[in-house]
Amino acid sequence: DAGVTQSPTHLIKTRGQQVTLRCSPKSGHDTVSWYQQALGQGPQFIFQYYEEEERQRGNFPDRFSGHQFPNYSSELNVNALLLGDSALYLCASRDSSSYEQYFGPGTRLTVT
Amino acid sequence: DAKTTQPNSMESNEEEPVHLPCNHSTISGTDYIHWYRQLPSQGPEYVIHGLTSNVNNRMASLAIAEDRKSSTLILHRATLRDAAVYYCILRPLSSGAGSYQLTFGKGTKLSVIP
Repeated sequence: DAGVTQSPTHLIKTRGQQVTLRCSPKSGHDTVSWYQQALGQGPQFIFQYYEEEERQRGNFPDRFSGHQFPNYSSELNVNALLLGDSALYLCASRDSSSYEQYFGPGTRLTVT
Repeated sequence: DAKTTQPNSMESNEEEPVHLPCNHSTISGTDYIHWYRQLPSQGPEYVIHGLTSNVNNRMASLAIAEDRKSSTLILHRATLRDAAVYYCILRPLSSGAGSYQLTFGKGTKLSVIP
């Protein structure tokens, strides 16, 4: 049973560009959340998708947007990249009836 | 949101028990206490959670103070694989299937000495 998978594993972008990160949830999971983790910090909640809708959002600007597809997979889009967007982006999934979240290994984004 | 306070770092000898403390003096009656850990170069993984009573699972035990203002994660025999950052998180009672976010602090970095 595959866990949460994310692609790509590493990415280098230039300031001002746009990026799309992808996440496939664990089998049977219908809820996907995205987190940003800066170096030396704990993960910070970006938003959560359930039934293809954004259900909750953390304190992130509109440059951060997402999408959830009918197969429950999800994308995170970041526009107009800033140097400060360099971080590890984590995807987490869960069954909506369960408390436990499963995290993927993350995508390391470097903005130069 | 209620906040948690954890020591920045702790050390333990291999095969000895480890007690990781967490203070959450502003916890509300419907906040669950969750623990996650993050091994190097990996995403966080769920360890355990509880509301009022002590909890045990295959990974660890969670001891919750009677007033719920503090809790302790107990690893019964530390192994080298337990070296990680441990996060204590308060999660409000969910109001719906889509309402669930984890608010991470900086956690406690546990080092295990062989």
